[in-house]
Amino acid sequence: GENVEQHPSTLSVQEGDSAVIKCTYSDSASNYFPWYKQELGKRPQLIIDIRSNVGEKKDQRIAVTLNKTAKHFSLHITETQPEDSAVYFCAATSTGGFKTIFGAGTRLFVKA
Amino acid sequence: DSGVTQTPKHLITATGQRVTLRCSPRSGDLSVYWYQQSLDQGLQFLIQYYNGEERAKGNILERFSAQQFPDLHSELNLSSLELGDSALYFCASSVGFSISYNEQFFGPGTRLTVL
Repeated sequence: GENVEQHPSTLSVQEGDSAVIKCTYSDSASNYFPWYKQELGKRPQLIIDIRSNVGEKKDQRIAVTLNKTAKHFSLHITETQPEDSAVYFCAATSTGGFKTIFGAGTRLFVKA
Repeated sequence: DSGVTQTPKHLITATGQRVTLRCSPRSGDLSVYWYQQSLDQGLQFLIQYYNGEERAKGNILERFSAQQFPDLHSELNLSSLELGDSALYFCASSVGFSISYNEQFFGPGTRLTVL
């Protein structure tokens, strides 16, 4: 069945460094790829997304890249800050957006 | 605050019991999504309703059922509860029927503990 693999499961960086989280999806019909940030005890919140007709998207310190041929997409956070510490989930949605498959999550620690 | 409300916040019950979780979407949103988040399995999509009708089904067990009412609030019913059903259950809503075009907003979640 459809699957989204996410790596690494845990990532620890120094404040100011960059963080990269990678995801691979299996359903070739997937065409929308959101990323969510979930702080401890809180709800997931959309931080950035990308559609299959775009290779890269940036929003300030956050960027997402998509390689449709290889079926993988990545989240890049530059100049990390302690408040970036959270669990990040990638997801892939099939055509029509009816079913979303989430990655297992990456716990990011940013050390001050 | 996303505008999506869920009740109750916490629920503690025993195995074999039945519970109902409630979700009120943001004003104007027609879609409601239910997700289960357990420690070992991350976020799992359960089911989506759009304007009162079931739109998509994910990994929802037969012991679970949901519905969306005419006022667009939704209920998730969990029956014959097992220890493994202990999890955080999120509801989300969006304007349209596809999150590809309309952002979904998550509620605060209901933490279910089955003893």
